[in-house]
Amino acid sequence: DAKTTQPPSMDCAEGRAANLPCNHSTISGNEYVYWYRQIHSQGPQYIIHGLKNNETNEMASLIITEDRKSSTLILPHATLRDTAVYYCIVRGAAGNKLTFGGGTRVLVKP
Amino acid sequence: EAQVTQNPRYLITVTGKKLTVTCSQNMNHEYMSWYRQDPGLGLRQIYYSMNVEVTDKGDVPEGYKVSRKEKRNFPLILESPSPNQTSLYFCASSLRPGQGAREQYFGPGTRLTVT
Repeated sequence: DAKTTQPPSMDCAEGRAANLPCNHSTISGNEYVYWYRQIHSQGPQYIIHGLKNNETNEMASLIITEDRKSSTLILPHATLRDTAVYYCIVRGAAGNKLTFGGGTRVLVKP
Repeated sequence: EAQVTQNPRYLITVTGKKLTVTCSQNMNHEYMSWYRQDPGLGLRQIYYSMNVEVTDKGDVPEGYKVSRKEKRNFPLILESPSPNQTSLYFCASSLRPGQGAREQYFGPGTRLTVT
């Protein structure tokens, strides 16, 4: 599975959009980009995934560049409950385990 | 409600006393997995199971056993726990890996302390 690079931390103002970048320059054609988050020491929570196209669900939007070498997770209206560590993970369809890197620690401030 | 449950949530035990952490999912998922999370090391996979009676080692299987006799349950067994197994443990499940994306659903975690 391709390696990902994320900034270690970022702050966001409550009510504003949070844009979380992720680089995955070695991604291969059949690998998906997944985003998970972990609030404090709770179990990681699935947010969204994508292959080539941009995706949106009730939690977030995922923007994948045309060359697929990077992506951005967008939390449209961050709340204090969105404070968490966000992980960008690349994995092929046949892969089973998720390889969690350091993630981005997001602090949403009032 | 679709969920993965783990028990116990917290456990303090002594070296060498066998213990089992249970994991159960109600989503009819074929795939289940155990991870441990340690500061600075992230989440590491211990064991996984592709289906009933099919299990395999992950990255850090030493000192652990698993079984998969039923589709919904995947217990983690520590036959002789040692202090280096003090950690936060997560169980996860998903549809069987294969074609298409497979999001994994995680349990709430079990914090184990071995003294």
